[in-house]
Amino acid sequence: QLVQSGGGLVQPGGSLRLSCVASGFTFSTDSLYWVRQGPGKGLVWVSRITNNGGVTNYADSVKGRFAVSRDNAKNTMYLQMNSLRVEDTAVYYCLSSGSSGIWGQGTLVTVSS
Amino acid sequence: QAVVTQESSLTVSPGGTVTLTCGSSTGDVTSGHYPYWFQQKPGQAPRTLIYDISNRLSWTPARFSGSLLGGRAALTLSGAQPDDEADYYCFLFYGAARVFGGGTKLTVL
Repeated sequence: QLVQSGGGLVQPGGSLRLSCVASGFTFSTDSLYWVRQGPGKGLVWVSRITNNGGVTNYADSVKGRFAVSRDNAKNTMYLQMNSLRVEDTAVYYCLSSGSSGIWGQGTLVTVSS
Repeated sequence: QAVVTQESSLTVSPGGTVTLTCGSSTGDVTSGHYPYWFQQKPGQAPRTLIYDISNRLSWTPARFSGSLLGGRAALTLSGAQPDDEADYYCFLFYGAARVFGGGTKLTVL
């Protein structure tokens, strides 16, 4: 499973760090994703990190503001979110790719003054 | 950025068969897009049903199958059950980027 933490309420321009901790599967073999879902909206891809952390990719909407990383020794992936905007308000999910296919439970990020 | 299109809504009768499709604004969907399919029920996290066109996860019921059909990715549900009522999203690879479709709301009625 993937267990997420780190969401909450933050003012525009602020920062948050999300965590996603894996258990019960071989974490280090899979690419991992962050996905978000705004209120009443569909799923939107945010970022991706390869199994060894060597490659990271981002949606244009978060490029330069968000940074994904992982620590395979701790079975944990992170999303550092800076310069947050009101439009970043969403439930954020982590996802393991391929034959793992596991989703985190989601964590709500609210950006509001 | 590429746009991934899905039917906004579909209805299937219990026990019936329905095919959801997923198209790409850049042309045909191919194996190089590694299509995924996800199911999401209200108030729940999504769940992966299919990866890489047609591979089921261990929890995916056999009534769900994935394929490429007429230049689109397809998810076929054979023998629909009331519990299959949900939103379904496809997900395609575009090199370094990934794009979700807008989702199909499937009603079993």
